[in-house]
Amino acid sequence: EAGVVQSPRYKIIEKKQPVAFWCNPISGHNTLYWYLQNLGQGPELLIRYENEEAVDDSQLPKDRFSAERLKGVDSTLKIQPAELGDSAVYLCASSSMDGDYNEQFFGPGTRLTVL
Amino acid sequence: AQSVAQPEDQVNVAEGNPLTVKCTYSVSGNPYLFWYVQYPNRGLQFLLKYITGDNLVKGSYGFEAEFNKSQTSFHLKKPSALVSDSALYFCAAAMNRDDKIIFGKGTRLHILP
Repeated sequence: EAGVVQSPRYKIIEKKQPVAFWCNPISGHNTLYWYLQNLGQGPELLIRYENEEAVDDSQLPKDRFSAERLKGVDSTLKIQPAELGDSAVYLCASSSMDGDYNEQFFGPGTRLTVL
Repeated sequence: AQSVAQPEDQVNVAEGNPLTVKCTYSVSGNPYLFWYVQYPNRGLQFLLKYITGDNLVKGSYGFEAEFNKSQTSFHLKKPSALVSDSALYFCAAAMNRDDKIIFGKGTRLHILP
């Protein structure tokens, strides 16, 4: 079974430029998460989708960040414009609703460097 | 506010010795507790979870964790460390099944040959 796929793995941009990250979750997983991981810190949730619906986006900085999951499968996270402080690793995770807890499976992340 | 604390930035253990990675939590009610491991250039991998039942939880790669409600702790343990256990370990907690997971800042584990 393929895991969570993210692309690109690395991205270097100049400040004020736009950037987009893509995530393909594990097949059949209806819940998708985007996390931000700063250096030396644990992941912090940005947004959670249940199918196409964003059920928790309270931590998403909506002035510059946006996300979509149009068909309830793939998802894109966008930053426009990027700032120096956005340099971090952006993680995507997915889970199904089976069982007593929806164990999350993480992708390898996209490391963003803003110059 | 909910929080997870990992008091050690780094833990060094000699190969073959027992290891402990500490975690304490501040979560309302009966918490859901997790340990994840992160290897270089790879995503976080689930190790184990505690939801209810026996306080000693066994997980992947020979790891186990002990839930202590009175001390609000969920320390990760392994009886005999391997060099391949060297990685970044994250403790995490949630209030319930549908709640978001709060991660600690991570503890880097070095197993010395």
